[in-house]
Amino acid sequence: GENVEQHPSTLSVQEGDSAVIKCTYSDSASNYFPWYKQELGKRPQLIIDIRSNVGEKKDQRIAVTLNKTAKHFSLHITETQPEDSAVYFCAATGYSTLTFGKGTMLLVSP
Amino acid sequence: SQTIHQWPATLVQPVGSPLSLECTVEGTSNPNLYWYRQAAGRGLQLLFYSVGIGQISSEVPQNLSASRPQDRQFILSSKKLLLSDSGFYLCAWSAARGTEAFFGQGTRLTVV
Repeated sequence: GENVEQHPSTLSVQEGDSAVIKCTYSDSASNYFPWYKQELGKRPQLIIDIRSNVGEKKDQRIAVTLNKTAKHFSLHITETQPEDSAVYFCAATGYSTLTFGKGTMLLVSP
Repeated sequence: SQTIHQWPATLVQPVGSPLSLECTVEGTSNPNLYWYRQAAGRGLQLLFYSVGIGQISSEVPQNLSASRPQDRQFILSSKKLLLSDSGFYLCAWSAARGTEAFFGQGTRLTVV
């Protein structure tokens, strides 16, 4: 099955800095790569996603890049704000399942 | 619009007691359904997924089972809970492979 590795497990930045979270996947057939944000005690919610026919996608301060050859994808958050503090999960699709990375706890200090 | 309901929100159960968590989806047909467990606030571990009524795939062997008696109903069960079953359980649905998954509110289970 699919295996998704995510790094780092914890990331601390100052407000206004950029944050980058990286993931790798194992199944070359995977073609959908979403990113979820989970605030404390709440459900994960989609913040951005990318499909395998696209190399980069941007939505305001958030961008995702995908390298299919190397089987890795990354989340970039620019001009971080304290409300960006949360756990972020990358994921990749296998045959019928959505496999998640172990999560990155992002802490943005004012 | 589609909505997902999961209940209860919190549950405290003694060791050895049975468990039944229910999840229902509204506003869509033949969804893919998932049960995840999240321990210690991190890591979403896929427990079961289903692509149709009566079709259940298990990702990890453990003290839990799942059933899909109706198209939009997904149930997580255990006959005898263990302390290690404590965690945050999330139900999710997606329209198909390669589409966004939507999560229920989650159930925080504490086995005492």
